[in-house]
Amino acid sequence: SQKIEQNSEALNIQEGKTATLTCNYTNYSPAYLQWYRQDPGRGPVFLLLIRENEKEKRKERLKVTFDTTLKQSLFHITASQPADSATYLCALWTTDSWGKLQFGAGTQVVVTP
Amino acid sequence: SAVISQKPSRDICQRGTSLTIQCQVDSQVTMMFWYRQQPGQSLTLIATANQGSEATYESGFVIDKFPISRPNLTFSTLTVSNMSPEDSSIYLCSVLGLAGYNEQFFGPGTRLTVL
Repeated sequence: SQKIEQNSEALNIQEGKTATLTCNYTNYSPAYLQWYRQDPGRGPVFLLLIRENEKEKRKERLKVTFDTTLKQSLFHITASQPADSATYLCALWTTDSWGKLQFGAGTQVVVTP
Repeated sequence: SAVISQKPSRDICQRGTSLTIQCQVDSQVTMMFWYRQQPGQSLTLIATANQGSEATYESGFVIDKFPISRPNLTFSTLTVSNMSPEDSSIYLCSVLGLAGYNEQFFGPGTRLTVL
């Protein structure tokens, strides 16, 4: 069966450190992998997209890697700040699911001063 | 970017009743999506709503339970019918970004509690 797995345990991290989140998937051949941020009581907000032929993508303090051999994406928040505290979701888009994103359950990040 | 609003933001309903959730987008879009997010769970796609055609439902979701309307390119409704406590969830509508499949924009969600 198809699965997208993210660490269900909250990641507690000190301000200024790098937070690293993992997204593993099975039985998918994604064309795109996306990361979203979700704050309590709000809908997800798009952060980054990485294509299957890209190894790494950066945006400000965010970095995403994509290893299609390992079927894994890593999401890094460098120089983390308390404002980065939220739940981060990975989502896959495949060519046989036009317009349909498959989401992981998300990992909560808590950044303490 | 697209700005999406939903009404109501939350509601508490009795078992056996129905609730209609409205989704308004500030631009014309072809496809709108309805998702459900149960506590601690991932977002699950309920259906895709295209203007002028019947909604396409995902496995496990049926039109009788979740009827959808799409009267124009900026508006859609999702009705949760004959509700049970298992329908307690957050319901979100979503649209694609103008660039196509590069990103999705989500509404703030409707938090539904069924007693």
